[in-house]
Amino acid sequence: GESVGLHLPTLSVQEGDNSIINCAYSNSASDYFIWYKQESGKGPQFIIDIRSNMDKRQGQRVTVLLNKTVKHLSLQIAATQPGDSAVYFCAETDNAGNMLTFGGGTRLMVKP
Amino acid sequence: GAVVSQHPSRVICKSGTSVKIECRSLDFQATTMFWYRQFPKQSLMLMATSNEGSKATYEQGVEKDKFLINHASLTLSTLTVTSAHPEDSSFYICSASGQGLRKQYFGPGTRLTVT
Repeated sequence: GESVGLHLPTLSVQEGDNSIINCAYSNSASDYFIWYKQESGKGPQFIIDIRSNMDKRQGQRVTVLLNKTVKHLSLQIAATQPGDSAVYFCAETDNAGNMLTFGGGTRLMVKP
Repeated sequence: GAVVSQHPSRVICKSGTSVKIECRSLDFQATTMFWYRQFPKQSLMLMATSNEGSKATYEQGVEKDKFLINHASLTLSTLTVTSAHPEDSSFYICSASGQGLRKQYFGPGTRLTVT
């Protein structure tokens, strides 16, 4: 799924499959990117971040890929679990400050 | 990771009354705090940014006299919704970042319902 404006697209995956959530950004000056996970009724939780001098960063079961050429960010979740069901937001900031600009979000639904 | 708390977690108030929401950084000094509101099935909308000891900077379209923000200490910021109306009903989320930190840590959010 890809974030588009305020509409929340939904990505539905089978438990155990890998998930890929995409995000496009427009500010070429952005140099720091974060993925957040937000469960229903809760605040966003930090998942993983990446600086613009990298194109890939791995965490536990998650990988973030950054393609600066096309201004594209993706979050890959390996072996998706029911607990991964949530809305995922990408956020970006430039080196002028620490204000985040959020993408529209993608709802991930994991089918058992 | 750093912990940010919000209080209350949910509040119901009558139209015309004011409501105060607190945001606290529990284990770090938050030089900057941010207030967001979020409508159902939408992304977070930044309302204002506040630095400790100075006036908040509001985003375009956010009424500073209606949404009063105070950041009096490095661990506490408050958002007061004055003369609340039903259209102010929303999920309000704060976040905090510390000196030299690019990452924002989010609170659990406050669900405001104005009847």
